[in-house]
Amino acid sequence: DTEVTQTPKHLVMGMTNKKSLKCEQHMGHRAMYWYKQKAKKPPELMFVYSYEKLSINESVPSRFSPECPNSSLLNLHLHALQPEDSALYLCASSQAPGLITGGYTFGSGTRLTVV
Amino acid sequence: KQEVTQIPAALSVPEGENLVLNCSFTDSAIYNLQWFRQDPGKGLTSLLLIQSSQREQTSGRLNASLDKSSGRSTLYIAASQPGDSATYLCAVRGGGADGLTFGKGTHLIIQP
Repeated sequence: DTEVTQTPKHLVMGMTNKKSLKCEQHMGHRAMYWYKQKAKKPPELMFVYSYEKLSINESVPSRFSPECPNSSLLNLHLHALQPEDSALYLCASSQAPGLITGGYTFGSGTRLTVV
Repeated sequence: KQEVTQIPAALSVPEGENLVLNCSFTDSAIYNLQWFRQDPGKGLTSLLLIQSSQREQTSGRLNASLDKSSGRSTLYIAASQPGDSATYLCAVRGGGADGLTFGKGTHLIIQP
């Protein structure tokens, strides 16, 4: 299995809703990432998990809450989002952070619309 | 801070042409460089990964080169096809556990 699977593919939520994005990989990768991508822009790093521990939080608002329950799963919990948070949310994984020669594998993304 | 620049921002060529996409980066202390393809509204598909010690990688009609000392990489696409139409992103990996640094991409259109 060489894939990163993200669910759901599309999500529409109101500003008072709570929802979660899910990401799963079975490649034995020990680093997992959340990226946010706005239209016609490159992906922007949000969070990095290394060996299931949060290692980087790129000053992301607290309405985004990441969670890494185990080495295969990564969640992004959403609460009280704003319309400007509408974007494509991408999950990625790579081999153990110490193995710097590894490439990144990205999922197909969740298209989030906040209304 | 690492900065990645991709030129051109957009490119439209007739089918069958060979073409070159360019990527430059400001900090040569990278571990590797990865080229991705992104179709509209979709995720990123990895095309080629070049380690800092390598000069080039090939996959089918694609060839990527890396000149780490000058901070440049090129993606060569041979005999372009309409199915190659997409945005191509260049990304470099630096030290530590942080993520990739991306360029803004080249939006490629291959005319039938």
